[in-house]
Amino acid sequence: SQKIEQNSEALNIQEGKTATLTCNYTNYSPAYLQWYRQDPGRGPVFLLLIRENEKEKRKERLKVTFDTTLKQSLFHITASQPADSATYLCALEGGFNKFYFGSGTKLNVKP
Amino acid sequence: DVKVTQSSRYLVKRTGEKVFLECVQDMDHENMFWYRQDPGLGLRLIYFSYDVKMKEKGDIPEGYSVSREKKERFSLILESASTNQTSMYLCASSPGERSMETQYFGPGTRLLVL
Repeated sequence: SQKIEQNSEALNIQEGKTATLTCNYTNYSPAYLQWYRQDPGRGPVFLLLIRENEKEKRKERLKVTFDTTLKQSLFHITASQPADSATYLCALEGGFNKFYFGSGTKLNVKP
Repeated sequence: DVKVTQSSRYLVKRTGEKVFLECVQDMDHENMFWYRQDPGLGLRLIYFSYDVKMKEKGDIPEGYSVSREKKERFSLILESASTNQTSMYLCASSPGERSMETQYFGPGTRLLVL
């Protein structure tokens, strides 16, 4: 079965630094991968999608990479701000609009 | 903006009760989903529906059923609630059968079964 691993330990960084979150997966070759943000007590919100034939995708301060050989995606937030503090989830397409989600990594950006 | 609403933010039920969780989306989306979210386990798909009156089992359907009588509404039913169904329940929708679709989530219902 599909296994998705995100670092369960919180990532603590200083404001202004770049945050890098990792998503590793096994037993599958998804056509695309998504990243979501989730704030406490709320549902996830879509951030970025990257296809298997794309190496990198950017949106404002966000950057996602997708290495299908390593079976890994990296999610970067540059010039991080305290408002970026949240849990970030990766999701892999599982066919027919189904998704498999990781358990998320909590990011804490300290002022 | 797409809006997905869930009937309750918090629910407390007793073991053995029948529980209904309601989800409504206002963007005419074809697909709707129910997930549960538990610490360390991520979101796990319970059921999804790609059309009115159509449903498909997800990864953990045991102990649950669903109903989709209208396109905008997708209900999750716990036939006989048990303590191991205490969880955060999230509803989501997506536009249709196109690939690479974003899911839009509701705010979640935190269910406690005593």
